[in-house]
Amino acid sequence: GQQLNQSPQSMFIQEGEDVSMNCTSSSIFNTWLWYKQDPGEGPVLLIALYKAGELTSNGRLTAQFGITRKDSFLNISASIPSDVGIYFCAGHRGGAQKLVFGQGTRLTINP
Amino acid sequence: DVKVTQSSRYLVKRTGEKVFLECVQDMDHENMFWYRQDPGLGLRLIYFSYDVKMKEKGDIPEGYSVSREKKERFSLILESASTNQTSMYLCASSSPGVGEKLFFGSGTQLSVL
Repeated sequence: GQQLNQSPQSMFIQEGEDVSMNCTSSSIFNTWLWYKQDPGEGPVLLIALYKAGELTSNGRLTAQFGITRKDSFLNISASIPSDVGIYFCAGHRGGAQKLVFGQGTRLTINP
Repeated sequence: DVKVTQSSRYLVKRTGEKVFLECVQDMDHENMFWYRQDPGLGLRLIYFSYDVKMKEKGDIPEGYSVSREKKERFSLILESASTNQTSMYLCASSSPGVGEKLFFGSGTQLSVL
């Protein structure tokens, strides 16, 4: 099945740095989502985007739905230790369609 | 607090054993899903169900089956476990109409020796 191309696969940063990651697809999605998986837990929904060009924030997190509808971006500002985990992008075409996930970006933060 | 509960956090089984992974949700969701998570491969859909007694194959159903006898419970079955089925298994549920908003369990790390 199709998967989204998510990058980078891993990031090692210092506490306080900003983080950027992105997700691309060869086909269009109607909804883009970002999930975060804490160590030892299942993924939790962070942000859902429903309109091309939409920019949505959740605290220090900001995500954008690309204008082409084939990509999405997630930024984290001023990273803190609890930001550690795996971030997954996901695309949805609507209705009863299944979610398509990216490979994940593993974020590690050095204090 | 809404919950998706997976019966085991860790399981160790032997090759050829029949393995049952259980998942229960308390949100009255119609939709339930089983994913496996492997490093570098993200989340891959094994099977899903949109109603009791209904099941659909996902992207990697080979070697797996499922059972949904009650709305709140969705079981994943490995008929004859193999070492390449060693993985993290995640159960999820969602409501129709907001099918993109999945609620995940904490996962079962299965090791097949």
